[in-house]
Amino acid sequence: SQTIHQWPATLVQPVGSPLSLECTVEGTSNPNLYWYRQAAGRGLQLLFYSVGIGQISSEVPQNLSASRPQDRQFILSSKKLLLSDSGFYLCAWSVPGPYNQPQHFGDGTRLSIL
Amino acid sequence: GQQVMQIPQYQHVQEGEDFTTYCNSSTTLSNIQWYKQRPGGHPVFLIQLVKSGEVKKQKRLTFQFGEAKKNSSLHITATQTTDVGTYFCAGLGNAGNNRKLIWGLGTSLGVNP
Repeated sequence: SQTIHQWPATLVQPVGSPLSLECTVEGTSNPNLYWYRQAAGRGLQLLFYSVGIGQISSEVPQNLSASRPQDRQFILSSKKLLLSDSGFYLCAWSVPGPYNQPQHFGDGTRLSIL
Repeated sequence: GQQVMQIPQYQHVQEGEDFTTYCNSSTTLSNIQWYKQRPGGHPVFLIQLVKSGEVKKQKRLTFQFGEAKKNSSLHITATQTTDVGTYFCAGLGNAGNNRKLIWGLGTSLGVNP
């Protein structure tokens, strides 16, 4: 069966510090991968999605970036965090192909910027 | 751009009462998905509707897709405390090659025991 791992679960970072969040998927090949951000009590904002290694589409201009160095690894990064980057970051995967397949989410990372 | 609106934003019910959340799109959707997010948790896929007028049931949950494929609803019969959480709809637009899920902002359900 497929599993998705996301870490760390919680993170407290100072403003201006770098960020690296990692997500890995097991049990499937060439998945579509997604990074979302959820502000407290709000909906899901799609940040990045990827249909293959090295293929990243950005949805929202910001100081975040994403990379997919391996088929089942998706990394969210920032060189300098802003206060507005606080939130709940969720990684998700879906089977390859059209973007109409159910998405399966990791447990998320709660990021607080001080 | 394409938008998906969900109403109500919040609802509190007494255990045993019914609950309905509605999802409305500004454009025709290819399909619609529903997810549940428990407090402190991550969204979990519930169901996908594809056909016009489709109705699917999962125990006490009934999902409908409108005839025009622009709206959908989730109805919970006789709510239980385990139903607490936020329910999201997400629709796949029809337009262009850049087809991605468009998420509603969710309906948060509280159930008083």
